[in-house]
Amino acid sequence: ELKVEQNPLFLSMQEGKNYTIYCNYSTTSDRLYWYRQDPGKSLESLFVLLSNGAVKQEGRLMASLDTKARLSTLHITAAVHDLSATYFCAVDMTSGSRLTFGEGTQLTVNP
Amino acid sequence: DVKVTQSSRYLVKRTGEKVFLECVQDMDHENMFWYRQDPGLGLRLIYFSYDVKMKEKGDIPEGYSVSREKKERFSLILESASTNQTSMYLCASSTPAPNEQFFGPGTRLTVL
Repeated sequence: ELKVEQNPLFLSMQEGKNYTIYCNYSTTSDRLYWYRQDPGKSLESLFVLLSNGAVKQEGRLMASLDTKARLSTLHITAAVHDLSATYFCAVDMTSGSRLTFGEGTQLTVNP
Repeated sequence: DVKVTQSSRYLVKRTGEKVFLECVQDMDHENMFWYRQDPGLGLRLIYFSYDVKMKEKGDIPEGYSVSREKKERFSLILESASTNQTSMYLCASSTPAPNEQFFGPGTRLTVL
């Protein structure tokens, strides 16, 4: 059974600081997805990582994938309040099949 | 832009009622999914579908059924709603590769 674990689950940080959210998964896969969810809203796709060593960047967020270590990271650079949200990673074991989601990391960026 | 729409944002139903939640996508995606999201329990997959008239059980199918008569539409049915089905319901769609799922706005269902 594929397990996906995120840490930390809760993250409170100050504006301007850097931090990293980690996503570990238990079974070989080279397809990993990051989503953002604002309170009371649905999930929005952020990044699609489809191979070992893949790196994607959008604004202050950068995601990477190490399939050998079964690890993805979401790095936040110089955080701003607008980044406050819950971030989910999800892993796809078999192409075209269901995704397995992590528990989510609730990020709060304080002024 | 991919668009996934859900028939209602908020819904209030009585115990025992039959409830239909509709999801429509406009990107010709083969895959469609229904999840429920509850505080502390994350996203849980109820049912999914790879093609018209195809359905697969997810992790928590009990008390639910689905229908996919057309490629763009995936319906979730609560045959006899119960209070423990009060939740946020999210629909998503994707192509098989990459399996990037696009989510609808969600339906917050309250069963009294």
